[in-house]
Amino acid sequence: NAGVTQTPKFQVLKTGQSMTLQCAQDMNHEYMSWYRQDPGMGLRLIHYSVGAGITDQGEVPNGYNVSRSTTEDFPLRLLSAAPSQTSVYFCASSYLSGGSYEQYFGPGTRLTVT
Amino acid sequence: AQKVTQAQTEISVVEKEDVTLDCVYETRDTTYYLFWYKQPPSGELVFLIRRNSFDEQNEISGRYSWNFQKSTSSFNFTITASQVVDSAVYFCALRGGAAGNKLTFGGGTRVLVKP
Repeated sequence: NAGVTQTPKFQVLKTGQSMTLQCAQDMNHEYMSWYRQDPGMGLRLIHYSVGAGITDQGEVPNGYNVSRSTTEDFPLRLLSAAPSQTSVYFCASSYLSGGSYEQYFGPGTRLTVT
Repeated sequence: AQKVTQAQTEISVVEKEDVTLDCVYETRDTTYYLFWYKQPPSGELVFLIRRNSFDEQNEISGRYSWNFQKSTSSFNFTITASQVVDSAVYFCALRGGAAGNKLTFGGGTRVLVKP
């Protein structure tokens, strides 16, 4: 299993550009999430999905869109990039085990918006 | 609302010293789960431990130990006889029983172990 994969690893955007961060998992996990990591603030939940076709907002959803057409993929779209979206983005997938969710994180995408 | 506070932003120790990382949490859920993750300089997130709210036993894994105290809403992490490879950012996280797979993270504590 490749686990959770994210592409690209690094990206530089100009303000106003749009792009999609890709996330894929091959573990057949139902749950997937996107987090952003900013200095001193830990990771904050952007959007999450509890299954194909079902998504919901997390703590900081503004400026981001998601969709979940398949179990494997959960792309994150930035519609019009802003410098405030400069961050490291982590995708995670999880499954229910023993009453809790075992969460697997991808390697992250470092995004800079100039 | 859930909240996780890691009051120590950075700790610097000399190799072989012990280091304790504090984590204080807030939740209204009676069932919840607490986690610690390590983020080495390479950037990935490494799962260290999960603890549920009904299990207050302390846990030891090699040089790592965790102290869970519901009475003070704390889940502290100690590295015994620290090594340079322990240098990393450590995150404490909380998931409420009703929160599904959503984690609330603390701000992280950077540990620097000097040789």
